[in-house]
This record gives sequence, structure tokens and C-alpha cells, in this order.
Amino acid sequence: DAEITQSPRHKITETGRQVTLACHQTWNHNNMFWYRQDLGHGLRLIHYSYGVQDTNKGEVSDGYSVSRSNTEDLPLTLESAASSQTSVYFCASSRGQGGTDTQYFGPGTRLTVL
Amino acid sequence: DQQVKQNSPSLSVQEGRISILNCDYTNSMFDYFLWYKKYPAEGPTFLISISSIKDKNEDGRFTVFLNKSAKHLSLHIVPSQPGDSAVYFCAASAMTGKLIFGQGTTLQVKP
Repeated sequence: DAEITQSPRHKITETGRQVTLACHQTWNHNNMFWYRQDLGHGLRLIHYSYGVQDTNKGEVSDGYSVSRSNTEDLPLTLESAASSQTSVYFCASSRGQGGTDTQYFGPGTRLTVL
Repeated sequence: DQQVKQNSPSLSVQEGRISILNCDYTNSMFDYFLWYKKYPAEGPTFLISISSIKDKNEDGRFTVFLNKSAKHLSLHIVPSQPGDSAVYFCAASAMTGKLIFGQGTTLQVKP
């Protein structure tokens, strides 16, 4: 069955370190998204991609970067981790660009920055 | 500037009764609305959606109502079951494929 996976599921790192969170989907979806979930804010969009070599900034992109070299993967990099980036991160994918296309979410990565 | 708001952080109902979760939005360009359900330690999963050309969409025990003039939508769960206990997120889209989520409402259904 097609799925979307994230790794690691839990990560503890120190302030200033570079961290990369992996996202892999086997749906063959063109669109991929990264969100962070924080209490009181719900899910906020960090970066998104509509296809290979395409990346776009979302609502809270400062301090994060992504690259899309193939259809299946969209890794999220924190260039220099900050305590404010402690959060739960979700990756999602969807087939088309339309607003009606369902987004399928991964299980999440809980990141703690000390 | 929260474009999608869920003003009730939590809701508790008795098994078998109706659960009503509310969501308000400010952007009149939104034309598609969704509800996602999230269990602890899992990602959100799609539950039900509604297009702005409709005012009601029903799927089994779940019904979503849309009031465009009030910029308000609600999710009704009838009858509520203990397995419905989860966090519910309202989301809206304006044909770009990007979703704007509300803060979430934690529903507890008591046996």
C-alpha cells in the first residue's frame, strides 16, 4: 500500500546544530508540504513543493529550507536549530494542485531543541 | 492574523449524544473547507469536506454545515462514540492547494 513516512520520529538536538527531517511518500504525488504543529496555532505551513525542483515558502519558513530532487522525497533542513523550533513536524502530500485534493499526512517528527 | 479560527480548545460530550465543533474564517476567497481528525502520535487524517457552492455535506455520522454569509462552518457527529475522541482541525483552501488550519478542538466522548 502507498504511504508517507517520516524519520526520525523523535529527535533531540542542541541549539545551533543543523538538523534534517526526512519525508518519503510512495503515492507518486506531485505536491508535498511541511507543517509544524504548536499548541494554540494548529498546523502552520513551512514549505511546499509542486514538483521536482520546485520549492516555495509557506507561512513560517524562516530558519528552514527544503529541496526536491525526486518525486518521493522532500527533506526539511533546519540550518541552525533554535529553541523556538521545538515542535511536532508533519509532512503531507497530495496528487494535484487544486484546493480540493486531499492531503495525506505522515506520522510526524517530534523535535526538541535544547 | 488567524484566518481560520476554532475558538473552543476542547469539548466533552456523552456517548450517543451530538458533538458540534465550530470553525470561523475571515478570508472570503476560501472556497473549499475540510475537517481533519488527529489521534495522539499520529498524523492528521482527512474526515470530510465541503465546497463553497454547498451548504451541507453528509458522510455517515458526520455532517459539515457551511454558512457563507457568517463565514462559519460546523461539524456535527451523531451519535458520538468514544472512538471519536481526538483533535479535530478545520482547514480552508482558496484553490491554491495550500491549506490554512485552525488551532484545533480536542473532543472527548465519555462512555
